[in-house]
Amino acid sequence: FILTQPHSVLESPGKTVTISCTRSSGNIDYNYVQWYQQRPGSAPITVIYENTQRPSGVPDRFSGSIDVSSNSASLTISGLGTEDEADYYCQSYDSSTLHVVFGGGTKLTVL
Amino acid sequence: QVQLVESGGGVVQPGRSLRVSCEASGFIFRSSAMHWVRQAPGKGLEWVAVISYDGRDKYYADSVKGRYTVSRDNFKNTVYLQMNNLRAEDTAVYYCAKRGNSYGHIDHWGQGTLVTVSS
Repeated sequence: FILTQPHSVLESPGKTVTISCTRSSGNIDYNYVQWYQQRPGSAPITVIYENTQRPSGVPDRFSGSIDVSSNSASLTISGLGTEDEADYYCQSYDSSTLHVVFGGGTKLTVL
Repeated sequence: QVQLVESGGGVVQPGRSLRVSCEASGFIFRSSAMHWVRQAPGKGLEWVAVISYDGRDKYYADSVKGRYTVSRDNFKNTVYLQMNNLRAEDTAVYYCAKRGNSYGHIDHWGQGTLVTVSS
C-alpha cells in the first residue's frame, strides 16, 4: 500500500492546520500510524505515535487521529508558530511483509 | 539519554561496496529492534531495513533486497548496514533509528551519514 499526503500546506501564525495521510489499500486502523517532523538540515523526530499518542516533550498543540470512513490519518497542529515550519511524514507498516511505509511528506509553511 | 551515532559514509563508485555503522548508547541495545531509513537529496524518507533485537529476523525494502545486509553486534552496541553493488540512486543520508513501543514506531533517530555513489 502507499500513504498519500498533500505536497505542501500554507497557514498563518496562530491558526490551526490539519495534514492528511490516506492509505491506498487495507484499513487505516489495521496498523498504527506515526508522524515525524523534520526541520531543514536535521534528523526527523517523532511527534505522534500509535495514531494519537504524543511523546514527552512534544507540545499538546500537536494531535493525531484516524478516520476509517476516509481511510486516512491526520495530524493537527494548533496555535501555529514559525518553529512549526518543517516537513511532516506519516508512516505505518504492512503486516504481511513487515515493511515500513512512509508517506511522501508535507511541507508546512507558516507565514 | 538515547544516542545513535552513524559513521562510515563517503563517496563510492557505482558497483562498489560500503559499510555504514551505528553505535548506540543510553538504552538496552540488545532488547531493541533497529531500523535503517534513507533520504535522497531533496527527497522524502525511505525505509531500508529492520533487524530484530537478537539479529535473527531481518526485512528489507524491495529496492535494496539482495544488495544490502543488516547485522548487529550486541556486545558492541552497534548495528551495521553492508551495501553492495551500489547505484547512483542509492545516494542518500542513511539514518539508523530505534524501534519504539510498537512495530513501525521509531522513537529515536541518529543524525545520519551521507553516502554518495558517483564515478
